[in-house]
Amino acid sequence: AQSVAQPEDQVNVAEGNPLTVKCTYSVSGNPYLFWYVQYPNRGLQFLLKYITGDNLVKGSYGFEAEFNKSQTSFHLKKPSALVSDSALYFCAVRDRAPLVFGKGTRLSVIA
Amino acid sequence: DAGVIQSPRHEVTEMGQEVTLRCKPISGHNSLFWYRQTMMRGLELLIYFNNNVPIDDSGMPEDRFSAKMPNASFSTLKIQPSEPRDSAVYFCASSLAGLGSYEQYFGPGTRLTVT
Repeated sequence: AQSVAQPEDQVNVAEGNPLTVKCTYSVSGNPYLFWYVQYPNRGLQFLLKYITGDNLVKGSYGFEAEFNKSQTSFHLKKPSALVSDSALYFCAVRDRAPLVFGKGTRLSVIA
Repeated sequence: DAGVIQSPRHEVTEMGQEVTLRCKPISGHNSLFWYRQTMMRGLELLIYFNNNVPIDDSGMPEDRFSAKMPNASFSTLKIQPSEPRDSAVYFCASSLAGLGSYEQYFGPGTRLTVT
């Protein structure tokens, strides 16, 4: 069965520093991978996806993610964090069923 | 496009009452999903529809929960009777499955409180 794991419940980073939110996946076929962000009292918002092609995927708000097949990872990155990036981030995978979401990682960017 | 529309945004009801949550998906999308989010259990998929047909309702917690999609532009999630443990934020999402797509777009959610 397909699954994703977000090993960190919480990530703290100083404003201006690079940030990484980790995600690993498990699927039986080729993965479709997604990142979403959830701000307080809002629905999940699509950030970016990997379907095929370049391993480095660029998305909204300056975020990018790197697909690594050998490590079965799809980590979310941003070169310079903003306080406004503080939110809950979800990784998701689709194999042959609807998206399966990770448990989420809370990112806190400190000024 | 207005995005996925959910109503009401907030619902407070007493235990035993019937609750109906409503969703209007993005026009042209062919898949619709209902999720529940709580602090304890995180984000849970309750049921999803493809072309208005329920495909998988294994996430529906009990027979008290039911969902319908009478047409491509409207879906309901009903809880009858409601219980305090049903308190959560309920999200509706839609997607256009196929052709390399599959990302889901979420509505703002309905915050349900059952007292």
